[in-house]
Amino acid sequence: EADIYQTPRYLVIGTGKKITLECSQTMGHDKMYWYQQDPGMELHLIHYSYGVNSTEKGDLSSESTVSRIRTEHFPLTLESARPSHTSQYLCASSERDSFSRASYEQYFGPGTRLTVT
Amino acid sequence: GQSLEQPSEVTAVEGAIVQINCTYQTSGFYGLSWYQQHDGGAPTFLSYNGLDGLEETGRFSSFLSRSDSYGYLLLQELQMKDSASYFCAVRDQGGKLIFGQGTELSVKP
Repeated sequence: EADIYQTPRYLVIGTGKKITLECSQTMGHDKMYWYQQDPGMELHLIHYSYGVNSTEKGDLSSESTVSRIRTEHFPLTLESARPSHTSQYLCASSERDSFSRASYEQYFGPGTRLTVT
Repeated sequence: GQSLEQPSEVTAVEGAIVQINCTYQTSGFYGLSWYQQHDGGAPTFLSYNGLDGLEETGRFSSFLSRSDSYGYLLLQELQMKDSASYFCAVRDQGGKLIFGQGTELSVKP
């Protein structure tokens, strides 16, 4: 059973506010990811981390930032929210690469649906 | 550039078999994954192909041809609960995924 949590599940916030989306996993996974997904569309990788103190930007440019101070925690922050940030944000984690097929699987959290007014 | 192509929607009836194709053009290809996502839900892993050939997991099978940059997901004995979006995703050596636009499968009674 995958244990990866995201809070809040839904957030409606005004333009210009600073927000932090929380993501935690209890599986001890080294790798964590943030995706952005608009309704009916594909997932776009915006940030990833291969371990503590390691963060990289993904393929989709994003004004958000992330941190990885603890293995289990990978929060995403928007310093000044804008209506263009309205989307669903999905957090995922996976094991470090190995010959195990389990390392190929990413486990996703339930997502945060963000609306910026 | 990186691109994946899959049909936007497929309709089938309960008990039938459906195949969802995926073609890709990417650099650094390491394998092809398939994920299922129900409306409003989190994507869940279905299968992974790192080598050419067929992988079978219950009612679901997935196929890969690296030389053709092509793969497919085969769903057998369709059930109403299989109505969902299905995404193919190319995996690079570091484990990052690039997703296709998804195929919305509607299963009719």
